[in-house]
Amino acid sequence: AQSVTQLGSHVSVSEGALVLLRCNYSSSVPPYLFWYVQYPNQGLQLLLKYTTGATLVKGINGFEAEFKKSETSFHLTKPSAHMSDAAEYFCAVSDKGGNEKLTFGTGTRLTIIP
Amino acid sequence: DSGVTQTPKHLITATGQRVTLRCSPRSGDLSVYWYQQSLDQGLQFLIQYYNGEERAKGNILERFSAQQFPDLHSELNLSSLELGDSALYFCASSAHPASTNEKLFFGSGTQLSVL
Repeated sequence: AQSVTQLGSHVSVSEGALVLLRCNYSSSVPPYLFWYVQYPNQGLQLLLKYTTGATLVKGINGFEAEFKKSETSFHLTKPSAHMSDAAEYFCAVSDKGGNEKLTFGTGTRLTIIP
Repeated sequence: DSGVTQTPKHLITATGQRVTLRCSPRSGDLSVYWYQQSLDQGLQFLIQYYNGEERAKGNILERFSAQQFPDLHSELNLSSLELGDSALYFCASSAHPASTNEKLFFGSGTQLSVL
């Protein structure tokens, strides 16, 4: 069975600083990895996903993530944080390629300090 | 707006009761997914339907059931409710679940409070 671990339930960064949210996965088969964002009182929105091919994945709102098989990681980064990035971020994994039976991490709440 | 509509937005009920949550997928999407988000268990996959048929089952309790109707809307039925069932229930939809090119679109959720 696959799983993801998000390191740090709360992360605070200053506006303009680098955002780094950590995710490590465990999967017995090549994983399909996702990052979702949840703004207050809203549903989840896909930021980016890794299926196959290029290991550096670019998503919406300036976010990107790099799939590192040797480290079983899929960390999310953004060079310069903006106040609007304050939200909860979820890493997820699937062994089926599409959107089936996603297993989510416990989430990381990102706070942006003005 | 994701295009996925969930009703009601909030639901308050008592232990032992039964409730029905409704979801209308995005226009054209054939697959509907139900997820439960709670403080202690996080975001968990419950069940998935594709074009009216159950396609995958996750950590769904026997007290819970769901179905997808011919018009593709879905209902999640929760019965014999317990305090621990209090959670945010999300519905999501996609066109074809197995496609790696598809996105999953989430509704805003139904907040269930069991008192």
